Amino acid sequence: GENVEQHPSTLSVQEGDSAVIKCTYSDSASNYFPWYKQELGKRPQLIIDIRSNVGEKKDQRIAVTLNKTAKHFSLHITETQPEDSAVYFCAPSTDSWGKLQFGAGTQVVVTP
Amino acid sequence: EPEVTQTPSHQVTQMGQEVILRCVPISNHLYFYWYRQILGQKVEFLVSFYNNEISEKSEIFDDQFSVERPDGSNFTLKIRSTKLEDSAMYFCASSSTGVGNQPQHFGDGTRLSIL
Repeated sequence: GENVEQHPSTLSVQEGDSAVIKCTYSDSASNYFPWYKQELGKRPQLIIDIRSNVGEKKDQRIAVTLNKTAKHFSLHITETQPEDSAVYFCAPSTDSWGKLQFGAGTQVVVTP
Repeated sequence: EPEVTQTPSHQVTQMGQEVILRCVPISNHLYFYWYRQILGQKVEFLVSFYNNEISEKSEIFDDQFSVERPDGSNFTLKIRSTKLEDSAMYFCASSSTGVGNQPQHFGDGTRLSIL
């Protein structure tokens, strides 16, 4: 099955700085690469996703980059704000039924 | 924005009892999923469901688990004889297609506590 690893496991940043989380996957058949944000006690919420035919996608302060050859994709958050504090999960998908294989998560703490 | 709704929000059950978790997926979605998250851990896939049958299940989804779409709106997860290790947050999700490139929307979850 798919082996998904996220780094780092925790990330502390000063408000206004950038944060980068990397997700490495094992299955070369993966073709869909989402990032979910989960606040304490809440549901995972999709914040950005990318397909395998695109190398980068940006949505305001959030961007995702994909390196399919190296089998990793990264989440970039610029100008971080305290409300960005949460756990972030990557969840690549390989099969046609969309089963998401979540990574272990990255706890992001943004300090004012 | 349409949402996936789950009931109850919290379920406390004695070990060995049966429990049914309920979900109402987004109305025009055709693919349904159950995931679970043990406290402090990652989200784990349990099962996916399409066209009134299971399309894929994980090794966690053993004979104690079953899913059903009893009518046009509800999607349920049943655990036949609960164990202590079934304590977790259970999330239902739905998507508009199952081609691996459409986003899944999650419900708020049901916190299951087994005593």
